[in-house]
Amino acid sequence: GIQVEQSPPDLILQEGANSTLRCNFSDSVNNLQWFHQNPWGQLINLFYIPSGTKQNGRLSATTVATERYSLLYISSSQTTDSGVYFCAVALGNMLTFGGGTRLMVKP
Amino acid sequence: DTEVTQTPKHLVMGMTNKKSLKCEQHMGHRAMYWYKQKAKKPPELMFVYSYEKLSINESVPSRFSPECPNSSLLNLHLHALQPEDSALYLCASSPQGSIQPQHFGDGTRLSIL
Repeated sequence: GIQVEQSPPDLILQEGANSTLRCNFSDSVNNLQWFHQNPWGQLINLFYIPSGTKQNGRLSATTVATERYSLLYISSSQTTDSGVYFCAVALGNMLTFGGGTRLMVKP
Repeated sequence: DTEVTQTPKHLVMGMTNKKSLKCEQHMGHRAMYWYKQKAKKPPELMFVYSYEKLSINESVPSRFSPECPNSSLLNLHLHALQPEDSALYLCASSPQGSIQPQHFGDGTRLSIL
């Protein structure tokens, strides 16, 4: 099956710092999504981005499908950004998740 | 994603009990999914329903039995579970097809005693 790798696995930031999370995938995909899972387990859709660049407030994402990677950029981080960030790719109806990046933002 | 509603939020059950997890969406989506997530791991796909028919079963043990009574509802019937089945169970839906994004419910946190 398709392999999805995220880096870094863990990240600690001071409030206000910027960061870039990376997602590499092993095959062509139809769909790529970024999620934020908060400490209560809620999986929140951040971006649906099979290709191109999108921005939503302090977050932006870029997917280069031909090179099989996606980046999630967090600017001016806040403590509420803490949690686990997952990218997930779809082949057919199957969504495969990467291992996640665990982010802690310190005040 | 609060457009997909899961009940109950928490469930504690013994190994001999029978219980059901419920998932509901009213977005007109025609594909629905069950995922299992263990602590500190990513969600893993269990089942996919497409137009109310089971299309994917990821070799899930028969003690988990999915059911899709109509296009808005998805159930997961549980029977004779093991302690290692304790996990967060997530439901998702999508319009249909792999090019559409999936929307997740808040999950049911299941503990098996």
